[in-house]
Amino acid sequence: EIVLTQSPGTLSLSPGERATLSCRASQTVSHNNLAWYQQKPGQAPSLLIYGASSRATGIPDRFSASGSGTDFSLTISRLEPEDFAMYYCQHYVSSPFTFGGGTKVEIK
Amino acid sequence: QVQLVESGGGAVQPGRSLRLSCAASGFSFRDYGMYWVRQTPGKGLEWVARIWYDGSNEDYADSVKGRFTISRDNSKNTLYLEMNSLRVEDTGVYYCARHPSAYDYFDCWGQGTLVTVSS
Repeated sequence: EIVLTQSPGTLSLSPGERATLSCRASQTVSHNNLAWYQQKPGQAPSLLIYGASSRATGIPDRFSASGSGTDFSLTISRLEPEDFAMYYCQHYVSSPFTFGGGTKVEIK
Repeated sequence: QVQLVESGGGAVQPGRSLRLSCAASGFSFRDYGMYWVRQTPGKGLEWVARIWYDGSNEDYADSVKGRFTISRDNSKNTLYLEMNSLRVEDTGVYYCARHPSAYDYFDCWGQGTLVTVSS
């Protein structure tokens, strides 16, 4: 089973600042089969990124992601008020398709 | 628009059963594999079960294998999760989710239904 470790646990930033979130896998995520999700309080997760770097439909270009192998990152170039939320990575290499523990991006 | 709406959650005692439903609309349900994913206080987000687009195959997380059964009725555009022998650790929000063909990430989620297992 691939274990995904996200860091930091909490990121305290101000609107307009840049956020960089990390997702590290316990073994290689082949074919860059990694997705990122955003979850706001009381809502379901929603897809941001798939294939490690491809933005999902309707996702603004301030969201970007990169990485390969075992190290992946999600960057929000300039935080908007609606971006303060939880973020999760998930691999889809093979079953079980595990999620990371999440990073909370909170307003400083 | 694409929509998934779960129902059937509630409060039950350990050992009892519950059946969740997920009504799909706005897309061709029969063309998509479907998942149940849960969010629990103990383990966070965890995939529970998946079923192929035509119902021909299923797969389960080890934590629910032998207790939960996923099924679908493509004529009714509905996904189900039969949960038996419920445990306290099954408590959480259960989401149905759609995955694009050939890739097991989730491009559409329902709003979730809360299952509470407690004596």
